[in-house]
Amino acid sequence: DVKVTQSSRYLVKRTGEKVFLECVQDMDHENMFWYRQDPGLGLRLIYFSYDVKMKEKGDIPEGYSVSREKKERFSLILESASTNQTSMYLCASSTTGLSPLHFGNGTRLTVT
Amino acid sequence: GQNIDQPTEMTATEGAIVQINCTYQTSGFNGLFWYQQHAGEAPTFLSYNVLDGLEEKGRFSSFLSRSKGYSYLLLKELQMKDSASYLCAVRVYNTDKLIFGTGTRLQVFP
Repeated sequence: DVKVTQSSRYLVKRTGEKVFLECVQDMDHENMFWYRQDPGLGLRLIYFSYDVKMKEKGDIPEGYSVSREKKERFSLILESASTNQTSMYLCASSTTGLSPLHFGNGTRLTVT
Repeated sequence: GQNIDQPTEMTATEGAIVQINCTYQTSGFNGLFWYQQHAGEAPTFLSYNVLDGLEEKGRFSSFLSRSKGYSYLLLKELQMKDSASYLCAVRVYNTDKLIFGTGTRLQVFP
């Protein structure tokens, strides 16, 4: 079974802090994704990576950056956290082609 | 751009059949996926369609009409544990990105 692990289940940060969300997958998947999920808005893609050091912006990249130095790890960085970044963050991975996304359990981030 | 529409909420009775619709308008299309998400949990993959027609997987079936930009998820013999959100997602042409609809929250009553 594919395992996608997110480092924290709950996180509370202050406005202006730099925040790192970590995600690790154990299935040698090429693709990794970061989504945020908000009530009424569904899952929105922040960033996507299709290979080590390769990244592509999703629909809502503003205020976020990402890092993929190793194939199994994909980090989401909030350079200066703001209250409107309070959300559930979901990491996912997949192989190339028509394969489903496998999601981690999510990190609920609260920015105060 | 992409636009994916699903009903926000649906209710049904245990043992019944329910159909959850999804319509989409995308600049390119390369497959449609359905996910189930229980409250507080991660989404889990249910099915996908690339070609027109019906794909059956036990109690769940998914249908696609590419010309109409339309899909549905059919759940038969509903059980209480089927109470969850159902997410429709479109794979963007020439990428592996999935763009999700806002999801349909299904409540199954005894």
